[in-house]
Amino acid sequence: GQQVMQIPQYQHVQEGEDFTTYCNSSTTLSNIQWYKQRPGGHPVFLIQLVKSGEVKKQKRLTFQFGEAKKNSSLHITATQTTDVGTYFCAGNTGGFKTIFGAGTRLFVKA
Amino acid sequence: KAGVTQTPRYLIKTRGQQVTLSCSPISGHRSVSWYQQTPGQGLQFLFEYFSETQRNKGNFPGRFSGRQFSNSRSEMNVSTLELGDSALYLCASSLSDRGYAFFGQGTRLTVV
Repeated sequence: GQQVMQIPQYQHVQEGEDFTTYCNSSTTLSNIQWYKQRPGGHPVFLIQLVKSGEVKKQKRLTFQFGEAKKNSSLHITATQTTDVGTYFCAGNTGGFKTIFGAGTRLFVKA
Repeated sequence: KAGVTQTPRYLIKTRGQQVTLSCSPISGHRSVSWYQQTPGQGLQFLFEYFSETQRNKGNFPGRFSGRQFSNSRSEMNVSTLELGDSALYLCASSLSDRGYAFFGQGTRLTVV
């Protein structure tokens, strides 16, 4: 069945270091979404990418959608303690089911 | 606009009992999805409803069921609870059927 793999599972960084999480799908995606879940909280929508090769930025966050629409990445420049949480990618193949990656949990040491 | 509202926030049930969770989507959102989140399994898709119709279902046993009402509010029911059903149950609503979703704060279910 359709799978969305996300790596790494965990990432420990020193405050100020960069962070990247990667998402790979076994099938072509119609769109991909990114969510952030703070510890004890619920997933919060960050961004949706639709076009092949699309790159979007939100302050220190850069999101990319691969040319083949099968992979995506989220890059955070100069992490801050407020970036702590789990980042999920979620892909949709055009049906009515969104498949979530397992998430990357980010720990930031001050 | 008010966000997605889930009730109750916390619930403790005994094995064998049944439970009903409620979700009120954002006004105007007709698609409601349910997810189970556990530490080891991440976010697992349960089912999705649109205009009172279940359009997709995840790989969960028949003990898990749901429905959606004409006002888009949705309920999820779990019968014959098992210890392994302990999890955070999240509801998400979206405006379009293939777009991003907004999550509620979840119902944390503990089965003892």
